[in-house]
Amino acid sequence: GENVEQHPSTLSVQEGDSAVIKCTYSDSASNYFPWYKQELGKRPQLIIDIRSNVGEKKDQRIAVTLNKTAKHFSLHITETQPEDSAVYFCAASRPTDSWGKLQFGAGTQVVVTP
Amino acid sequence: DAGITQSPRHKVTETGTPVTLRCHQTENHRYMYWYRQDPGHGLRLIHYSYGVKDTDKGEVSDGYSVSRSKTEDFLLTLESATSSQTSVYFCASRTSLEQYFGPGTRLTVT
Repeated sequence: GENVEQHPSTLSVQEGDSAVIKCTYSDSASNYFPWYKQELGKRPQLIIDIRSNVGEKKDQRIAVTLNKTAKHFSLHITETQPEDSAVYFCAASRPTDSWGKLQFGAGTQVVVTP
Repeated sequence: DAGITQSPRHKVTETGTPVTLRCHQTENHRYMYWYRQDPGHGLRLIHYSYGVKDTDKGEVSDGYSVSRSKTEDFLLTLESATSSQTSVYFCASRTSLEQYFGPGTRLTVT
């Protein structure tokens, strides 16, 4: 089955700097890669996703890049703000032939210091 | 939040007792999922459903069962709770691709 590894497990950045989280996946048939943000005590919230026919996707200060050949994808947060502090999870899926099951990485705790 | 609710939100129970957690969605989504979240493990799939009465096991299904008698409800049952099942449980439902999560249930087994 699919295996997703996520690095780093913790990331401390100064406000205004950029943050990058990287994930690798094992199943070359995976073609959908969402990112979730989870604030303390809250539910995971979908913040951005990318499909395998796209190399990069942006939404304001966040972007995701995908390298299908290397089987890795990354989340980039620019101009970080204190409200970006949270745990971020990557995931991989084959929606059309696996009932949409998501395989999650272990998460990255991001701390943005003022 | 895709109209997903979970009940109860918090529960403390004793080892060996049965426990049922409920997930309710108002979006008429076909697919629903149960996950558990533990430190260092991210979110791990327990069971999932692809329609009424259609369910299957995820990666950590031992000790859990599910039922889905209506599109809107997906129940997770711990037949005989153990301390290793202390966790936060999230359900999710899915649109065409995106999964949206409920608020979670914090379960403590003493």
